[in-house]
Amino acid sequence: EAGVTQFPSHSVIEKGQTVTLRCDPISGHDNLYWYRRVMGKEIKFLLHFVKESKQDESGMPNNRFLAERTGGTYSTLKVQPAELEDSGVYFCASSPNPGLSYGYTFGSGTRLTVV
Amino acid sequence: AQRVTQPEKLLSVFKGAPVELKCNYSYSGSPELFWYVQYSRQRLQLLLRHISRESIKGFTADLNKGETSFHLKKPFAQEEDSAMYYCALSGGQGAQKLVFGQGTRLTINP
Repeated sequence: EAGVTQFPSHSVIEKGQTVTLRCDPISGHDNLYWYRRVMGKEIKFLLHFVKESKQDESGMPNNRFLAERTGGTYSTLKVQPAELEDSGVYFCASSPNPGLSYGYTFGSGTRLTVV
Repeated sequence: AQRVTQPEKLLSVFKGAPVELKCNYSYSGSPELFWYVQYSRQRLQLLLRHISRESIKGFTADLNKGETSFHLKKPFAQEEDSAMYYCALSGGQGAQKLVFGQGTRLTINP
């Protein structure tokens, strides 16, 4: 079984530029989550998709962040324009229904550096 | 508010010694608690969850509701246990998102 795939693995961009991160969940997993870890801080929830619908986006920091999940398959997280404080590791995870009691499967993460 | 506290950022023990990674939580209801581990150059993965009450790789964790703790223990540490360990909480009742602690980097010295 293929795992959760994220790309790119690393991205270095300049402040003000746009970056799009992609996550391919495990096939058949309806639940897809985005988290991020900013340097020196804990891993924080960003949002949760159930299929193509946003179930919970309470963790999205501001309107510079836009997440989509086309057709309930892969998801993208766009940061536009990027700021220095957006640097960190962005994790994607997926889980099957009924969800959390099975635990997540995480991707390897995308390390974003904004300079 | 939901909060998870891992008081030790770094923990170093010798091989064969007992290990305890502390985790305390704050939640008013009945949470689900998890331990996740990230080995060097690997992805974050589930180590164990309190509802299954199982032992994985020799690790156990007991939920103590009175002390609001979910400490991770292993009687005899091995070098391959060196990793980053995260305690995480979910609000239960179908709640989906996890609240993580800051993590503890465990180093097992030979």
